[in-house]
Amino acid sequence: GQNIDQPTEMTATEGAIVQINCTYQTSGFNGLFWYQQHAGEAPTFLSYNVLDGLEEKGRFSSFLSRSKGYSYLLLKELQMKDSASYLCAVGTGGFKTIFGAGTRLFVKA
Amino acid sequence: EAQVTQNPRYLITVTGKKLTVTCSQNMNHEYMSWYRQDPGLGLRQIYYSMNVEVTDKGDVPEGYKVSRKEKRNFPLILESPSPNQTSLYFCASSLTGPRGNEQYFGPGTRLTVT
Repeated sequence: GQNIDQPTEMTATEGAIVQINCTYQTSGFNGLFWYQQHAGEAPTFLSYNVLDGLEEKGRFSSFLSRSKGYSYLLLKELQMKDSASYLCAVGTGGFKTIFGAGTRLFVKA
Repeated sequence: EAQVTQNPRYLITVTGKKLTVTCSQNMNHEYMSWYRQDPGLGLRQIYYSMNVEVTDKGDVPEGYKVSRKEKRNFPLILESPSPNQTSLYFCASSLTGPRGNEQYFGPGTRLTVT
């Protein structure tokens, strides 16, 4: 079967760095996406990886290892507004997208 | 403003009463998709469309229908809603699909079936 695993919840302190892991097993792979979703709102795109390695975008970085079926999202200089759910998603064979259940991040002062 | 719109935003209905949730995008995207989001389960894909008149099932298509007669619109139809379809629904669009393009999500439709 196909599945994506990520931790349910994480807590971190304002100003710190947090790493959210995602492991996946899918039939086919067309890239891995990270989305941010604040409570009561729609998901918004953060990053995309299709090749192995690190992609950096401001305070956010995303890493991919296709051989290990593993990705992580790194958030630096955490701010209170980063409190949200972070969704890992994989574009599988064809045009389907599989999402993980999401990681709820709490940023405390 | 580039956006995906959904209507209605909130809907309470009764079992068996047919309903349609509309979705429209103004970005000339080829790919559109419907998801439902339930606590602990995340987003699950219901149906997607690669272009006009081309649709395919996602992971949870039972009890739903879709159509894509125009590029901008992708309505979700529940012919006979049941309580297990109570959920938060999101429509999304993408330039050409998940092969390299992010999806833009609508604001969501919260559906309650009693």
